[in-house]
Parts: sequence; structure tokens; C-alpha cells
Amino acid sequence: GIQVEQSPPDLILQEGANSTLRCNFSDSVNNLQWFHQNPWGQLINLFYIPSGTKQNGRLSATTVATERYSLLYISSSQTTDSGVYFCAVEDAGGTSYGKLTFGQGTILTVHP
Amino acid sequence: KAGVTQTPRYLIKTRGQQVTLSCSPISGHRSVSWYQQTPGQGLQFLFEYFSETQRNKGNFPGRFSGRQFSNSRSEMNVSTLELGDSALYLCASSSGMHTGELFFGEGSRLTVL
Repeated sequence: GIQVEQSPPDLILQEGANSTLRCNFSDSVNNLQWFHQNPWGQLINLFYIPSGTKQNGRLSATTVATERYSLLYISSSQTTDSGVYFCAVEDAGGTSYGKLTFGQGTILTVHP
Repeated sequence: KAGVTQTPRYLIKTRGQQVTLSCSPISGHRSVSWYQQTPGQGLQFLFEYFSETQRNKGNFPGRFSGRQFSNSRSEMNVSTLELGDSALYLCASSSGMHTGELFFGEGSRLTVL
């Protein structure tokens, strides 16, 4: 099956710093989403971005599908950005209804 | 519009018991997927339902089952619970026939003693 690798596994920042999280995937995808998991466990949608670039406030994301990677940029980080960030993809091959394959996540800690 | 609602949020069971978890999707969404999250295995796909039909299934034993009702609400059941079934169970909904963007609920945290 498709493999998803996220880097770095852990990231520690001071408030105000910028960061880039990376997601590599091993095969063609129909769907790519970035999530932030809050302390209560809910996955919060950040971006639905199978290709191209999107921006939402201090966050932006770029997916280069032909090169099989996606980047999540966080600018001027805040302590509330702390948590786990997941990249998840839907394999373009075969029938993958409802199935996203998740990376292992990046644990972001932002210190005041 | 209300998001995905999962009940119960927390539950404790003992080995050998069974458990049923419920998920109400976003209004108008017809696809419901279930995921298991554990520290060791991360987030893994369990199964997906669309219009009361299971269209996709992950690599879990037959003790894990689910169903979807005509109003798109879904339930999953785990029978003969094992310690390793302790996990956060997440439900997601999406609008159309194809996967599209998934929206997740807050999860049901199951502890098996």
C-alpha cells in the first residue's frame, strides 16, 4: 500500500518563529489533507490540497503531486499551534473509498 | 451546521465484553468512515459505509464490524474485547460518492481493562 512519511517527527519552536512540515508519499494520490489534532483528540481540518497551493491566515500548504510531496508552512507560530500535525492521503490506485493513509505525525511544541 | 458527532466520548470495558460506538455525520453527508488511533500503530482505517453499504474495509479482525442506517448514522461494534483494542476511535464523514474531504468527530476513547 501507499506509504506516507512526515518530517520532522518533533519540532520545538519559540513563539513567533516560522516552520515547515513535510509530507512525502510513495504513489499517486487523489486526495491529500493536513490535520491538526487537538489535545482532546479531534482532527481539525487545515487543508484539503491534492495539488497546488492554499493559504489560510498564518498557515499555507503546497502539494507537488508529480514529485509526491506536500509542505505545510506555519508562520509567526503561537503557543496555540502546539499539537500533532498529520498528513493523510488517498491512494489513487484501486478503490479507496473513505480510506486515508496517515503519516506518523509531527509533534509541534511552541514555547512562549 | 453541526459537525460529526460521536457517542459515547469515553468508556471503560473489561476483556471479553463488547462495545458499540455511534457516529452521526454532518447533515447531507452520506459516507461515514471509521478509524482507530493507538500510540503504537497510529491512525488506521477500519471501514467505510455509503448508503448503508460497506464499500471498503481495512485490515482488522472480524470482531470489528459496523453498519449504517438509512439516515446515514453509523455504528461500529467490537466484540470479545482485548486489551489491545484500547484506543481512540474516530469517525469521519464526507459528502459524496468519492472520498473527497473528510471531516472528523471528536472520537470515542475506549479503555479495556
